[in-house]
Formats: sequence, C-alpha cells, structure tokens
Amino acid sequence: AQSVTQLGSHVSVSEGALVLLRCNYSSSVPPYLFWYVQYPNQGLQLLLKYTSAATLVKGINGFEAEFKKSETSFHLTKPSAHMSDAAEYFCAVSVSGNTGKLIFGQGTTLQVKP
Amino acid sequence: GAVVSQHPSRVICKSGTSVKIECRSLDFQATTMFWYRQFPKQSLMLMATSNEGSKATYEQGVEKDKFLINHASLTLSTLTVTSAHPEDSSFYICSARAGGPETQYFGPGTRLLVL
Repeated sequence: AQSVTQLGSHVSVSEGALVLLRCNYSSSVPPYLFWYVQYPNQGLQLLLKYTSAATLVKGINGFEAEFKKSETSFHLTKPSAHMSDAAEYFCAVSVSGNTGKLIFGQGTTLQVKP
Repeated sequence: GAVVSQHPSRVICKSGTSVKIECRSLDFQATTMFWYRQFPKQSLMLMATSNEGSKATYEQGVEKDKFLINHASLTLSTLTVTSAHPEDSSFYICSARAGGPETQYFGPGTRLLVL
C-alpha cells in the first residue's frame, strides 16, 4: 500500500530564503508523485509531478523536486521564497493500478516572513 | 485548459436538509471524477471515485446512502449530502481525471455549513 509522510506541519522562512518542504513516500511499485499547493478556501493547484521520467522535476512558480528512490523522498524546493508562496502544500502519491486515486500527505503550511 | 468548476462555492443549510454539489469539467471529458473531503487544517480524504455511467466506488467508512454520487455524463458529477447534519460541515473538493493518473485536475471546492 502507498503512503505519504510530510515532515513538518509548519515551515517558516524569510522572504528570499530557500524553501525546503519534505516528503517521504512508501510504495511497493514505482510511484507517481505530486506536489500541490492550496491557497485559503481554494482547491488544489498542481505544482509538479514525477511520472518515472527525469528524477529532477521542475514545476510552476520556480519550484522543483527531486525523486530519490534510495531515500524514498520527493522533497520540494525553491531557491528564493516570495511572500506569495505562503500557502498549504500537499505531497501526494498515486495509488497503484492506474486507478488515479491519490493519497495525500498531512500537508505543510509555509509561512514567508518579510 | 483543464478547468474544473464546482457549484455552489459556498452553501449554508439547515440540519436535515439535502444539499447537491456539482462538479464540472469545462474543457475536457473526464473518465473519472473523485470527491474529497477536507476538514479545517487537515489533509484531503478521498470519499469516493465516480465513473461515468456506473456506480461510484466509496472508500471505507463513507456512507453510500448519505453521500449520493451521480456521474451522468463525461463532464458532470454530483455529490448529494442527504439529511445533512452539523458534523457534515466541511470543505468538499472534486477532481476530474482525463487519461492517466497524472492528469487529474481539481475544482475550487465547496464550503458546506450545516446549522
């Protein structure tokens, strides 16, 4: 069975600082992995996805993530935080069998300080 | 492209009434739609998988008779919360899938408040 663990429910960085949001997964088969962002009272927006192609995935808004099989990780990074990056971030893994079902992590709230 | 809408965006109802939430894929046909529930400060929990023209598949612990799902066309799925109670108050989010698992698009969500 697949699962996702996001380390740190709350991350605070200064504007311009590096953003690092951690995600570890568990999967018995090669996973599809996703990072989504959610702004208050809104749905989810896809930041990036890993679907067994390049291990370094670039997404929107300057975010990227690296799939590391040996560490079962898919951490999200951004070199320089903007105030507009403050939001809730969810890591998700696609359930095997091509059902399309997603298992979400607990979420990480990113706070950006001026 | 790849826009999913939900209607209404916010609804307040009295306890015991039923509420219908619509999820539409505006510019693509969705073979599968998913319904999630999100409590404040929590993650999304999958409630059910809706396939066009067939019965929905519910996750364990989700009451089928309380959360009625109808996927009448490739662009529309509805979730009806029957005999709503205050504990049903939540943020309901749908997503629509077109093709592989990586092509899943989320709606903006519906905030339900049951008084």
